[in-house]
Amino acid sequence: NAGVTQTPKFRVLKTGQSMTLLCAQDMNHEYMYWYRQDPGMGLRLIHYSVGEGTTAKGEVPDGYNVSRLKKQNFLLGLESAAPSQTSVYFCASSTTKRPGRDEQFFGPGTRLTVL
Amino acid sequence: LAKTTQPISMDSYEGQEVNITCSHNNIATNDYITWYQQFPSQGPRFIIQGYKTKVTNEVASLFIPADRKSSTLSLPRVSLSDTAVYYCLVGDMNTGFQKLVFGTGTRLLVSP
Repeated sequence: NAGVTQTPKFRVLKTGQSMTLLCAQDMNHEYMYWYRQDPGMGLRLIHYSVGEGTTAKGEVPDGYNVSRLKKQNFLLGLESAAPSQTSVYFCASSTTKRPGRDEQFFGPGTRLTVL
Repeated sequence: LAKTTQPISMDSYEGQEVNITCSHNNIATNDYITWYQQFPSQGPRFIIQGYKTKVTNEVASLFIPADRKSSTLSLPRVSLSDTAVYYCLVGDMNTGFQKLVFGTGTRLLVSP
């Protein structure tokens, strides 16, 4: 199993450009998440999904949109990129609650720079 | 969501036991305590999770006192490869998932 994969690994955008980050998981997980991590800080939840066709806002959703058309994929879109969105983006997935072992599996991250 | 407080950084030497304590005074009845490890340029990785008392797995132990207002991650005999950032989180299992709130974590540096 590849686990959680993210595409692309690196990207440089100019202010105002748009792009989509792709997250894919092959573990048949119901839940998927998008986080951003800024230098010296922890991860902040952008959006999440509890199943195919459903999405919800996290802690910092402004400026981002998401879609979960297929169970294995979770897309994060930036319609008009801003320098404040320069960050490392992590996708994660998890399965239904398993007390004592409810863990999220993280992808390798996408490093995005907005000039 | 319960807020957590951890030391910003800790230093240790190879072979020593490291204990990282996390404070979560507002933990709710349905919250579990989870610890993650993150290496540079990688996503976090699950270490251990518990609800009360003590939990042990192949890499760490988690001690939770009766009032559950704090927890301690114990790493036995650390090595250089344990240098990483460690995050303590609390989350409600009964929502069907954990909306995890990552703080700034504890940066552990293990020296030879």
